[in-house]
Amino acid sequence: GESVGLHLPTLSVQEGDNSIINCAYSNSASDYFIWYKQESGKGPQFIIDIRSNMDKRQGQRVTVLLNKTVKHLSLQIAATQPGDSAVYFCAENAGGTSYGKLTFGQGTILTVHP
Amino acid sequence: DTAVSQTPKYLVTQMGNDKSIKCEQNLGHDTMYWYKQDSKKFLKIMFSYNNKELIINETVPNRFSPKSPDKAHLNLHINSLELGDSAVYFCASSPGRGTEQYFGPGTRLTVT
Repeated sequence: GESVGLHLPTLSVQEGDNSIINCAYSNSASDYFIWYKQESGKGPQFIIDIRSNMDKRQGQRVTVLLNKTVKHLSLQIAATQPGDSAVYFCAENAGGTSYGKLTFGQGTILTVHP
Repeated sequence: DTAVSQTPKYLVTQMGNDKSIKCEQNLGHDTMYWYKQDSKKFLKIMFSYNNKELIINETVPNRFSPKSPDKAHLNLHINSLELGDSAVYFCASSPGRGTEQYFGPGTRLTVT
């Protein structure tokens, strides 16, 4: 499959478990953060976003937590399903003159076992 | 009802050739982007256009030239293709700068 030869962080969970994917970002000026899901052979798909004036945001089965003190972002997926298996990317937008320029993290491979 | 579409899906060509990838979005967004994803899945922005105006131009060889005939289209032309250009190229669009971006399905370019 496409993951052969990749050296991304991996997370393996059982169906029904909760998953937590972590991301460290680099720019303390970043004011907007997004999580994307990328399935094999497809483009990144928007999951959830958060602005720097918040520390938590919830969506359907997903929660994003932002800790600006340590520049850390996490994505929590509740009741993980096999269809959640994908590569997950965090991205940061530094704002200002680079407004709209997303810098992506390296990605985490999530594998959900039935 | 495709939101962001790209053509072709696959492109195999020889070194030295010139090729183009087309992108169209029907979301009414003002801003469009080109990204390159390498074999290690690393995604990096190349260009961004807002209302047909170039606003982001990363350190990309000038063999790569984006063209935006209107705000719904952003095409990527690549001259004198090199082996290192092999990658998956993604087009994306967003309602404005600093908002969520929606990606196309990607074009896998293989240079032989």
